[in-house]
This record gives sequence, structure tokens and C-alpha cells, in this order.
Amino acid sequence: RKEVEQDPGPFNVPEGATVAFNCTYSNSASQSFFWYRQDCRKEPKLLMSVYSSGNEDGRFTAQLNRASQYISLLIRDSKLSDSATYLCVVTPNTGNQFYFGTGTSLTVIP
Amino acid sequence: NAGVTQTPKFQVLKTGQSMTLQCAQDMNHEYMSWYRQDPGMGLRLIHYSVGAGITDQGEVPNGYNVSRSTTEDFPLRLLSAAPSQTSVYFCASSYQWSSGGAYEQFFGPGTRLTVL
Repeated sequence: RKEVEQDPGPFNVPEGATVAFNCTYSNSASQSFFWYRQDCRKEPKLLMSVYSSGNEDGRFTAQLNRASQYISLLIRDSKLSDSATYLCVVTPNTGNQFYFGTGTSLTVIP
Repeated sequence: NAGVTQTPKFQVLKTGQSMTLQCAQDMNHEYMSWYRQDPGMGLRLIHYSVGAGITDQGEVPNGYNVSRSTTEDFPLRLLSAAPSQTSVYFCASSYQWSSGGAYEQFFGPGTRLTVL
């Protein structure tokens, strides 16, 4: 079983729409959680960390559900510039490895 | 700060050739890692290091060697290139884990490697 699983999409949404991505993880003892954004043929960059109580950064909201072992990312009022691949990342509480999901592709359509 | 730099940006090798992908960071990060990214597979960890002189294997280490003689540099060596190693390679760095968890990783721009 993969450490982290994501729906690859693609998600094609109109500008202004709200879109949500989920990501499940297999290790119940996982400690740290992140969402990264990757533009085509570029390196991944941190979008936001995910905290136990949930957190928001402008139009982006991240949630963690430890009981069901998933994290989510909500994007409100989608912009054309939000078009990218979104990667979820999970780390265990032991060891020094980051586990990446395969990414979810988002295209925001004018 | 230059952040994480990688060279070369592109490389074409023939099967059996060896080469070294360079990675350097100027953020004084203890943790450095190498990933490969293949379509549909996501980023997979090859090797990582938690400090100078300390390296360990990740998920897909076969065919690759690393060393960490300084905090700044973490080169990845392909010993005998194979077509299966055609991929995009990313180097990343971060502060070392704390009891509170991991820190943000910063990535280099990547090296696109083709093995013929």
C-alpha cells in the first residue's frame, strides 16, 4: 500500500469556483503534513503546512483528519494562476523521509 | 541567497556511462535529499542526508551513490546509467526534524536526464 494517495484528477474548474482535494495516508503515526504546488516542468514549492486544528492562508484552507487519515486542501475563488499540480506530503514520526503523493492536476478555465 | 542550486539542467547519457549531478544549498540546512520524478509515480526518495558525513537510502537507491562531505553540497552519482534512470531529478534541503516535526523542504530547479 502506498504511503500517500491522491486522486490525480484532472480537475477542470471555471474561474471563481471552489475546488477541494483530498489525500489519504497509511501510517497512523504520521507527524507532519504539507501541501506543495508544482507548476509544469518546475520544482515543487511549499503552498502551506497543515496543522491539527486546520489552517487558512487567504483563499486556501487546509484540514487534517487524523481519525480518517486524510488531509484536504480547499481553494476558494479559483484564479487562472492556481492552475498547477498540487502535491500532498506526509512525514512519519520516526525516520527522516518525506512521502509525496502523485499529485492532483488543477486547470482553472476562463 | 541562491537557495538550492543544481547542475546541469539537462543531460543526455549513453547506457553504461557514469556522471555526477551536483546540488548545493546556502541556507545552512542539515537535511538534504535527492528525488526522482517520473510520470504517474510522484517524487520518490533516492538518498538523503541529515548532516555532513551521514547518508542513508530512500525508497529507490539502487544505481545511485551519494556522499556529504560538507553541509552545503550533496552530489548524486550514477554509477552505470541505464534507460530506466531517465527521469527528472530534484535535490531538496530543509532544517533537520525537531520533536515538533519536519520543516519545509526547498527544492532545486531539477536536472532532466535522458539515458539512451
